[in-house]
Amino acid sequence: QQQVKQSPQSLIVQKGGISIINCAYENTAFDYFPWYQQFPGKGPALLIAIRPDVSEKKEGRFTISFNKSAKQFSLHIMDSQPGDSATYFCAANNGDKLIFGTGTRLQVFP
Amino acid sequence: DARVTQTPRDKVTEMGQEVTMRCQPILGHNTVFWYRQTMMQGLELLAYFRNRAPLDDSGMPKDRFSAEMPDATLATLKIQPSEPRDSAVYFCASGLSPAETQYFGPGTRLLVL
Repeated sequence: QQQVKQSPQSLIVQKGGISIINCAYENTAFDYFPWYQQFPGKGPALLIAIRPDVSEKKEGRFTISFNKSAKQFSLHIMDSQPGDSATYFCAANNGDKLIFGTGTRLQVFP
Repeated sequence: DARVTQTPRDKVTEMGQEVTMRCQPILGHNTVFWYRQTMMQGLELLAYFRNRAPLDDSGMPKDRFSAEMPDATLATLKIQPSEPRDSAVYFCASGLSPAETQYFGPGTRLLVL
C-alpha cells in the first residue's frame, strides 16, 4: 500500500513529440505528488508537484494530470527536447518521507 | 544559491574497510534524508532525521550501517565493514518540515571491491 508504481521503465521520443509517464498509488492518505528530474551524475531535483485537490497543473512544457478516483497521476512533457533526456521519478508523500517510483529513463532524439 | 553538499563525491575501497560519507544540509532545513540508488532497486530511503533526531532507519542494514547528525550542519552515514553489494550512489537530501520538497545533494558514488 506504500508503493508508487511507475511506467514505462524507459521511453524514447522524437524531438517535438509528447512524453507521457504514468504513476499509480494505493494509499489515499497521500496528499502531495511531486515529480523529480535527474540528469546523469546529478541528484534528483524537483520538477513539478501537485496536490489531489486539483486535476491538472502546468508549468511551461510540463503538465501533471491527476485522477483522484483512479489513484493515478501522469507527467506530460510537450514539445520534448533533447535537453529533457533524463530519468524522471514520481513520488508521493508519507509524512516527511517521499515514496518514489522506480524511475523512467527518457531519451529525446533530434 | 543554497545547496546540499556531500563528500566525498567518489569513493573506491576494499571489502571490509570502513566508509564514511558526509552531508551538509541546506542551512535552516530541519529534515535530512539518506538514500541509496542502484539500477536494480532505484531510490531507497535508508534513514531520516528531523531536528537531528533519527526518526526512521528501517531501510538500513543495522549490522553494518549507521547514520548520525552530530550537529545541525553535518549528517554522516557510515558503513563498517563495507561489502561489494554496498556499491551504489548515496544521496543526502534536506527539507523543511512540514513542507514536502526535498533538495538532493550531488551524491557519493561508492565502489567496494
